[in-house]
Amino acid sequence: GAGVSQTPSNKVTEKGKYVELRCDPISGHTALYWYRQSLGQGPEFLIYFQGTGAADDSGLPNDRFFAVRPEGSVSTLKIQRTERGDSAVYLCASSYQAGDYEQYFGPGTRLTVT
Amino acid sequence: GQSLEQPSEVTAVEGAIVQINCTYQTSGFYGLSWYQQHDGGAPTFLSYNGLDGLEETGRFSSFLSRSDSYGYLLLQELQMKDSASYFCAVRDAAYGQNFVFGPGTRLSVLP
Repeated sequence: GAGVSQTPSNKVTEKGKYVELRCDPISGHTALYWYRQSLGQGPEFLIYFQGTGAADDSGLPNDRFFAVRPEGSVSTLKIQRTERGDSAVYLCASSYQAGDYEQYFGPGTRLTVT
Repeated sequence: GQSLEQPSEVTAVEGAIVQINCTYQTSGFYGLSWYQQHDGGAPTFLSYNGLDGLEETGRFSSFLSRSDSYGYLLLQELQMKDSASYFCAVRDAAYGQNFVFGPGTRLSVLP
């Protein structure tokens, strides 16, 4: 079946603008994770959902970051008032249920804030 | 808090065996996973260890010693396509169902 998809693949925005990044998980996967990866580093946890609810948002760096998953499938990561330090690859992963050790990652969205 | 340590780079030749180590510090350890990531690609799952010992999957094996807070990924019969970054990741009970990834080890396989 189809894997995890993310759109857009690349996003260039100006400092101060608002952006939305979309993740479409594998059908039937109840858990969805967002990570941020900077060059040469490992994925950094941001938030995860079990179903529609954000079960743990402790990784969100500040209140400019917000994510939703209203129907328990597609998720959107929203970043307000973007800063140059937000530039990174944003990865989405899904798993059958939260805590499953095998996560399926999407190709990521490369965000560049100029 | 949590921390994971991995060597930053490893270089080996085709056909060789290479071991990538991972040491971790967590409050409540659940298990150690390994992921492979090619440049520009998505991380892909390789293996998982929840208990001490060796898990083998084809050319790749992974080992865990919970008493030593240590694990490794063993890659045998190296191929050029194995050139990638390798990440260990732990699930820490103190942090619920989320995962913490190591900084990654960049493996270069030479002809």
